[in-house]
Amino acid sequence: QKEVEQNSGPLSVPEGAIASLNCTYSDRGSQSFFWYRQYSGKSPELIMFIYSNGDKEDGRFTAQLNKASQYVSLLIRDSQPSDSATYLCAADTGRRALTFGSGTRLQVQP
Amino acid sequence: DVKVTQSSRYLVKRTGEKVFLECVQDMDHENMFWYRQDPGLGLRLIYFSYDVKMKEKGDIPEGYSVSREKKERFSLILESASTNQTSMYLCASSPGRSSYEKLFFGSGTQLSVL
Repeated sequence: QKEVEQNSGPLSVPEGAIASLNCTYSDRGSQSFFWYRQYSGKSPELIMFIYSNGDKEDGRFTAQLNKASQYVSLLIRDSQPSDSATYLCAADTGRRALTFGSGTRLQVQP
Repeated sequence: DVKVTQSSRYLVKRTGEKVFLECVQDMDHENMFWYRQDPGLGLRLIYFSYDVKMKEKGDIPEGYSVSREKKERFSLILESASTNQTSMYLCASSPGRSSYEKLFFGSGTQLSVL
């Protein structure tokens, strides 16, 4: 069983809408979670991280963590075409290296 | 500016060849990582290192080895390349024990094994 699961998409949303990206993880010992954005042909870059249950907001981005349900999500408000990318969820499983999901491709339609 | 440099953007090798992928970081980071990325599979960890001459196996170490003789350089070695090792290889580094999760990635090496 893969430790971090994501729906591969593509998730298509109209410009200005809220995009909701979801991730589940299997290791209850995972303490912290990360969202990386990867544009086509480019390398991943960190956009959000969350350690505690609840919500964490940064500009148009909100990360949500529910440890009881082993669920992490990323909300992007007022989605822009420039947000079109693959979003990778990653978990710290306690071995000093991150485990990544397979990524969700987001398409924001103008 | 943070920089992780991978020696080649594209590489074509033949089955059975020994292949070296080089990665250098100029940020004095403690930790370095090698991932491979395949469509539908995301990033999978091959090996990582948190100190010079130290190495740890990741999730898919079979067919690979690594070398870290200097802090800034982390090499991935394919002892005898096979076609199933055709992939995008991404090197990453992170600062230290308390912030290992913030990864800085190189631009990647697309390796084709024929």
